[in-house]
Amino acid sequence: ETGVTQTPRHLVMGMTNKKSLKCEQHLGHNAMYWYKQSAKKPLELMFVYNFKEQTENNSVPSRFSPECPNSSHLFLHLHTLQPEDSALYLCASSQVLGQREYGYTFGSGTRLTVV
Amino acid sequence: GNSVTQMEGPVTLSEEAFLTINCTYTATGYPSLFWYVQYPGEGLQLLLKATKADDKGSNKGFEATYRKETTSFHLEKGSVQVSDSAVYFCALTDTGNQFYFGTGTSLTVIP
Repeated sequence: ETGVTQTPRHLVMGMTNKKSLKCEQHLGHNAMYWYKQSAKKPLELMFVYNFKEQTENNSVPSRFSPECPNSSHLFLHLHTLQPEDSALYLCASSQVLGQREYGYTFGSGTRLTVV
Repeated sequence: GNSVTQMEGPVTLSEEAFLTINCTYTATGYPSLFWYVQYPGEGLQLLLKATKADDKGSNKGFEATYRKETTSFHLEKGSVQVSDSAVYFCALTDTGNQFYFGTGTSLTVIP
């Protein structure tokens, strides 16, 4: 399998639940990203990892906790979320951080609904 | 700071019509510019890019020219098809460490 794969595609969770989103890339990339996509708003960068090290936390609430065990896998652990956290969560990867000539490769996203 | 402004949608066109989606940017350095497309239920796919002034990016009949003097990167296609119906995002990066996206423009092409 190639590209960036995100699971699950859809997730409904209660505000007291704990769940995790998974992202896996088979492109040999070394930088991975979490973005939040909400209606009528620009994509919001949440976290950046480069060679497994977190390089960016864009003022994300602590109820979102990322994990990057290796360059191919990225997780987003969720707990005690709020209804306003409902959105499409996109994972992306790139060869390395700091290459302005190349774009990202995105996964298909996880549609999260918090009830 | 860095930001991208796209024209408000939604845009509805008849098949074979000419498409223009406007994009202007603000950047502190010399950015690379990108257009991404998002089909229903999917993530974003890179459509085309330009890395320096006057460069023209092109792919699948779409084109955009990096205009430094007007800080613009408008997306054009001469003859749209129903299969082009999607949301289009303009984006920039100056360092490659972070991308800045516009809000997206929804395009619907009717037969």
